[in-house]
Amino acid sequence: EPEVTQTPSHQVTQMGQEVILRCVPISNHLYFYWYRQILGQKVEFLVSFYNNEISEKSEIFDDQFSVERPDGSNFTLKIRSTKLEDSAMYFCASSVLGQINTGELFFGEGSRLTVL
Amino acid sequence: GENVEQHPSTLSVQEGDSAVIKCTYSDSASNYFPWYKQELGKRPQLIIDIRSNVGEKKDQRIAVTLNKTAKHFSLHITETQPEDSAVYFCAASGGSQGNLIFGKGTKLSVKP
Repeated sequence: EPEVTQTPSHQVTQMGQEVILRCVPISNHLYFYWYRQILGQKVEFLVSFYNNEISEKSEIFDDQFSVERPDGSNFTLKIRSTKLEDSAMYFCASSVLGQINTGELFFGEGSRLTVL
Repeated sequence: GENVEQHPSTLSVQEGDSAVIKCTYSDSASNYFPWYKQELGKRPQLIIDIRSNVGEKKDQRIAVTLNKTAKHFSLHITETQPEDSAVYFCAASGGSQGNLIFGKGTKLSVKP
């Protein structure tokens, strides 16, 4: 069964450093997302991406965050200058249909980011 | 934007009993309501979903009901088993925001 894959599974970084989290969505999916989950809390929407551009973003997704689809398979989340509060599990997800059309989300295993 | 409230935050039941988790949403335009199960350290996995043109959906021991007028939906698990122990998240989407907005989760513990 096709899966969303994410790398790295865990990254430890110093505050102020740049981090890039990588995702390979399911191949025939058209909509890509990043969510984050602070330990013990709910899953929070960060950004959605379609047709090579951001379609929606939350207030969490400020200027420190950016997303990119550098080639036909990868979808990346960059945090320019990490803060302690960026420590969380970051989930990539993809869907065939966009959320507005109620497409089922498939999540990756997550990338745990620890900022020291 | 959409806001999803979920109750209870923790739920402990005896094996074989039923468990019910309730959610309310704020955006009347939302039309898709999935439920995700998340085991410790794992990804959320879809267990059942319901769309706004349906009032109830069942899949073996799991059922979901939707009351659009009251803007609430519930997850029902019957004959609970220890392997049902996990955190369950409700979510809503399709409203003005379009993207999935999650509730805060319910930690279900099923005691053998």
